[in-house]
Amino acid sequence: AAGVIQSPRHLIKEKRETATLKCYPIPRHDTVYWYQQGPGQDPQFLISFYEKMQSDKGSIPDRFSAQQFSDYHSELNMSSLELGDSALYFCASSFRVGEQFFGPGTRLTVL
Amino acid sequence: KNEVEQSPQNLTAQEGEFITINCSYSVGISALHWLQQHPGGGIVSLFMLSSGKKKHGRLIATINIQEKHSSLHITASHPRDSAVYICAALSGGGADGLTFGKGTHLIIQP
Repeated sequence: AAGVIQSPRHLIKEKRETATLKCYPIPRHDTVYWYQQGPGQDPQFLISFYEKMQSDKGSIPDRFSAQQFSDYHSELNMSSLELGDSALYFCASSFRVGEQFFGPGTRLTVL
Repeated sequence: KNEVEQSPQNLTAQEGEFITINCSYSVGISALHWLQQHPGGGIVSLFMLSSGKKKHGRLIATINIQEKHSSLHITASHPRDSAVYICAALSGGGADGLTFGKGTHLIIQP
């Protein structure tokens, strides 16, 4: 069965650079969620979209923005990267507000 | 804000043992997820439940809405069950993000 796809899987950036993470939900899923998991920490919710509209907002820094496109894929844009942004970024998708299925994550390292 | 507590934090058991991981939350929820995370990071959804009990293979999840408590049980545990098990609460009715517990690090020894 098709799963959530995230790209890239690994990303290395310098401080103050920008990064764009992409998420392709399971086919027919209309809701996307973004989570950040720092080293040794539990995941923290960043933001979610339902039918291309922002639905819920968590602890997302102002330097980050996200959107969901007409094909339901989503992109998380991160600017002015800081060392503390180094983390595993998960995307999850669901149909409506059903069970969330997680992607493999993008590991971002900021040097 | 919902507080999600898990216990135990760490659990080491012998192959074949019956495993129980507990989760409690502070505020009423619309659903609770049980997730499994392996070293290397990938998260797998095991269950989403809002009442009663669900079973999948050797895994059983129960929830008591009145007591704000859920349990994950593993029967006939196997070394391949070694992972971090996380409960995560969905508080709202919309596409709200999950609030995660700290996870239970489970090691099953052969």
